[in-house]
Amino acid sequence: GAVVSQHPSRVICKSGTSVKIECRSLDFQATTMFWYRQFPKKSLMLMATSNEGSKATYEQGVEKDKFLINHASLTLSTLTVTSAHPEDSSFYICSALLAGGSFSTDTQYFGPGTRLTVL
Amino acid sequence: AQSVSQHNHHVILSEAASLELGCNYSYGGTVNLFWYVQYPGQHLQLLLKYFSGDPLVKGIKGFEAEFIKSKFSFNLRKPSVQWSDTAEYFCAVNAYTGRRALTFGSGTRLQVQP
Repeated sequence: GAVVSQHPSRVICKSGTSVKIECRSLDFQATTMFWYRQFPKKSLMLMATSNEGSKATYEQGVEKDKFLINHASLTLSTLTVTSAHPEDSSFYICSALLAGGSFSTDTQYFGPGTRLTVL
Repeated sequence: AQSVSQHNHHVILSEAASLELGCNYSYGGTVNLFWYVQYPGQHLQLLLKYFSGDPLVKGIKGFEAEFIKSKFSFNLRKPSVQWSDTAEYFCAVNAYTGRRALTFGSGTRLQVQP
């Protein structure tokens, strides 16, 4: 099956520093990846859509200068949380879109998530 | 914009009991529907999906879901749950709007007692 990895799985950083999270599709190419944020006991909230070779599309309310997304290859997207603050502490999950040839057959596969704690 | 509602936030069942988790979405057009499961400490896994055709969809681990278009519903069912089914279950929808991201429901925490 399609596998998506994330690295690191857990990171603790000091306030004001930047943290980079990687998302890789291991056995398929993904021109589109997504970044979600999951709050405790809450659902996943879409932060942005990452498109290979072009700028990411951010959801309303998500600061693009704070959450930098780079999708440099068909198997890798990175999310950099810049100048992190305690309120950025969360569980960040990426997914990669396995395109089925038509919109109706697209399926997203999810990474294991990254737990970010900002002190 | 589409939205997804999961009415049961926390469900506790005994092993062998039957399960039905509700999911309703709001979007008048064509949709793709999904159920994902998140076991404790693990990532989201696809249980089943509906694109078109037979509204009764069978997934992995004995789960099935029925798409009822008139009710905008996609309820998840399993005739007999096991302790290993303890997990968080998320319903998600992808509407044919050109936007390919999923909209998730708030999730249902299922606790199966042995």
